[in-house]
Amino acid sequence: AQSVAQPEDQVNVAEGNPLTVKCTYSVSGNPYLFWYVQYPNRGLQFLLKYITGDNLVKGSYGFEAEFNKSQTSFHLKKPSALVSDSALYFCAVRALSGGYNKLIFGAGTRLAVHP
Amino acid sequence: NAGVTQTPKFRVLKTGQSMTLLCAQDMNHEYMYWYRQDPGMGLRLIHYSVGEGTTAKGEVPDGYNVSRLKKQNFLLGLESAAPSQTSVYFCASSYNGLAGVQYEQYFGPGTRLTVT
Repeated sequence: AQSVAQPEDQVNVAEGNPLTVKCTYSVSGNPYLFWYVQYPNRGLQFLLKYITGDNLVKGSYGFEAEFNKSQTSFHLKKPSALVSDSALYFCAVRALSGGYNKLIFGAGTRLAVHP
Repeated sequence: NAGVTQTPKFRVLKTGQSMTLLCAQDMNHEYMYWYRQDPGMGLRLIHYSVGEGTTAKGEVPDGYNVSRLKKQNFLLGLESAAPSQTSVYFCASSYNGLAGVQYEQYFGPGTRLTVT
């Protein structure tokens, strides 16, 4: 079965410190992986994706993610957190069903960046 | 471009009532999706559509119906609302996702539905 796990419900970081939001996946075939961010009372916004190529993917707002095939992980990172980064973050993996693509989302991780 | 819009933003229903949620996109996307978001459960796919006139069931389709009569619109219907359908509903769209290609999905702002 294809699935995504985000092992932390919440991550707390001080402003200016590096942050990591964890994601592990289980998928058959090559993984297509995504990160989305959701601000309060808003829809999800696309941050970045890994399809193929470099294991370090750069995305919007200074975020990046590291793909690790041996550990089946796709952790989201940022070198220096901002208070405005506080939001709900979702990892997602592509799932093939009947020849069509769908996304399977993790449960989400709430990031709280403190001044 | 408005992107993906959803109507209404909020709604309160009584058990047994019906309603339709409207999703519209102006990006000429082939694929459209309806999700529900519940605390601690992430987003779960209700139904999706790979093109005008086609729909398919997702992960949690029971109690919902959908229609895609026009490429830009994707309607989600609740025929007889139940308290278990209290949730936030999100519509999304993407470019043609043929097997082997996955484009990111663009999300609407959501509809908060309460069923009493």
